[in-house]
Amino acid sequence: DGGITQSPKYLFRKEGQNVTLSCEQNLNHDAMYWYRQDPGQGLRLIYYSQIVNDFQKGDIAEGYSVSREKKESFPLTVTSAQKNPTAFYLCASSTKQNSPLHFGNGTRLTVT
Amino acid sequence: GQQLNQSPQSMFIQEGEDVSMNCTSSSIFNTWLWYKQEPGEGPVLLIALYKAGELTSNGRLTAQFGITRKDSFLNISASIPSDVGIYFCAGQRRVSGNTPLVFGKGTRLSVIA
Repeated sequence: DGGITQSPKYLFRKEGQNVTLSCEQNLNHDAMYWYRQDPGQGLRLIYYSQIVNDFQKGDIAEGYSVSREKKESFPLTVTSAQKNPTAFYLCASSTKQNSPLHFGNGTRLTVT
Repeated sequence: GQQLNQSPQSMFIQEGEDVSMNCTSSSIFNTWLWYKQEPGEGPVLLIALYKAGELTSNGRLTAQFGITRKDSFLNISASIPSDVGIYFCAGQRRVSGNTPLVFGKGTRLSVIA
């Protein structure tokens, strides 16, 4: 079955450590996205990539970094510069023609 | 970044009741989408709307793309316990390439059996 896989489901880190969240898709989608979800805040866009080796900042990119070396993969690194990293992180993908987003099941990151 | 105004923020209803929620924006969108998210999971697409005035149904769900292209609503008829979740609207402007979606803050639906 095609889909988007985010791993791990839960992640715990100490403050000051960088952490990388994995996102893999086998839908052959060109575009991939990272969103952050906080209670009562809805979904806020961190980074997105329309094609391999290219990505753009979203609304809240500070403290995050991404790479897009392969079409199937779009890992997100939460750096120590991110002030409030504890959140639910959602990865999504879509085809090039502005079709609706397909979401993974998220990674809940807790930083203490 | 811009966010859509989604209301109500939360709803508590009796099983069997109809539900209505809506999204408004100060900007025009070319596409309106409605998603449902259950606890601990990612949002799942319910309905996609591509034309102003379009009315689309998916089972007990009905959504409309407002004529002004600045709003959309979602209705759920005869609610059941499994309708519980957070419902998000999302809008998209198709300028060029892949324009990211703008999301509302969600409507949290609780159904009392």
